[in-house]
Amino acid sequence: EVHLVESGGGLVKPGGSLTLSCVASGLTFSNAWMSWVRQAPGKGLEWVGRIKIRPLGMATDYAAPVSGRFTISRDDSRNTLYLQMSSLKVEDTAVYYCATEGYGPSLGAFEFWGQGARVTVSS
Amino acid sequence: DVVMTQSPDSLAVSLGERATINCRSSQSLLYTPNNKNYLAWYQQKPGQPPRLLIYSASIRQSGVPDRFTGSASGTDFTLTISSLEADDVGVYYCQHYYSRPPWTFGQGTRVEIK
Repeated sequence: EVHLVESGGGLVKPGGSLTLSCVASGLTFSNAWMSWVRQAPGKGLEWVGRIKIRPLGMATDYAAPVSGRFTISRDDSRNTLYLQMSSLKVEDTAVYYCATEGYGPSLGAFEFWGQGARVTVSS
Repeated sequence: DVVMTQSPDSLAVSLGERATINCRSSQSLLYTPNNKNYLAWYQQKPGQPPRLLIYSASIRQSGVPDRFTGSASGTDFTLTISSLEADDVGVYYCQHYYSRPPWTFGQGTRVEIK
């Protein structure tokens, strides 16, 4: 059974930084394309960014609102995905989910999700 | 960016009745080499992460009950719950994953019991 467990959420002041982690089990993590998706309080889902697998250079893509401020990385030896967030804004307040992408025709669809890490940006 | 627009924003359906949720994309999501639309549907219950129901517009994810059906016509997509059960209450989202990111979601449709 696949499990994704996020950690590192909390309260941070505007302009501050925070790093989220997502530990994966029950899957071959090194073969998984991974994404972060966020959900602001009472709002819908917003894709944040993704990281490809090592054979593809661990290339990353980001949504425009976070590009240049957020960095996604992975440590396949630790089965861990990271989201480094800097220059945080109030509008970054959300629950952040890590999610696996599917394979083939479902690559880009989010097959498994963690329970989420809550990030609050407030002074 | 591809814009995904869902309708209605909410609907109330009686137990055992059909629920229909619509999603329209601002451009084609059809990958012609395999004739598949790169469109997914998710269910989210309060306090839980989303759950993948359908991918490639019409393929049910493993374990999803067959009362959930996805269909496509051009840039219009539909999720149908054939006979609503109490456990189906929640918010449903469509999402495109065609070509390259950014992946975008519809705004969500809230389903409740009438």
